[in-house]
Amino acid sequence: GQQVMQIPQYQHVQEGEDFTTYCNSSTTLSNIQWYKQRPGGHPVFLIQLVKSGEVKKQKRLTFQFGEAKKNSSLHITATQTTDVGTYFCAGKLGGAQKLVFGQGTRLTINP
Amino acid sequence: DGGITQSPKYLFRKEGQNVTLSCEQNLNHDAMYWYRQDPGQGLRLIYYSQIVNDFQKGDIAEGYSVSREKKESFPLTVTSAQKNPTAFYLCASSMQGQGSSQPQHFGDGTRLSIL
Repeated sequence: GQQVMQIPQYQHVQEGEDFTTYCNSSTTLSNIQWYKQRPGGHPVFLIQLVKSGEVKKQKRLTFQFGEAKKNSSLHITATQTTDVGTYFCAGKLGGAQKLVFGQGTRLTINP
Repeated sequence: DGGITQSPKYLFRKEGQNVTLSCEQNLNHDAMYWYRQDPGQGLRLIYYSQIVNDFQKGDIAEGYSVSREKKESFPLTVTSAQKNPTAFYLCASSMQGQGSSQPQHFGDGTRLSIL
């Protein structure tokens, strides 16, 4: 089926380092959402991007949606231990009513 | 998320047994979803429902069944036909979007294991 690919699968950084996860689709996305799942928890909605080339910021988090609406990224500046968790992108493909989730990037941080 | 309640938190299934996972929401959301999460993997859609008395298969519906008799409730039954049911099951709900998607709100999940 149609997939949304996310890389890397795992990322370990030192506290204070930056972190980026990338999301790619072979099909144009209507929009893309980002979620964070803390260890042992459930996914929590972070943000949604809809427009081509859109960039949104939430404090140290920067979200981008590609010009072709086929890729997206989440960048965290100067990671903190509270950033630990798995970050998922989820795309809405064309006219479909459902979201397709990427495999997630698990972020661990060395304090 | 306080608006969605999943129960039980842990569930054990015997061979050949059907089990039902509960999902209730008080957010007045029209749409509800069931996902399966396996270790190191993303969320895979089992079933979803956009309105009462209607539901659609997701990507991995085989071995599962659902009902949507009430707006607030979307129970998932894991049947004996599901040969590998051990996983973390997440229920979610959202407002019905007209064009763009609406954020999904997740419950705390049910962890199902085979005895």
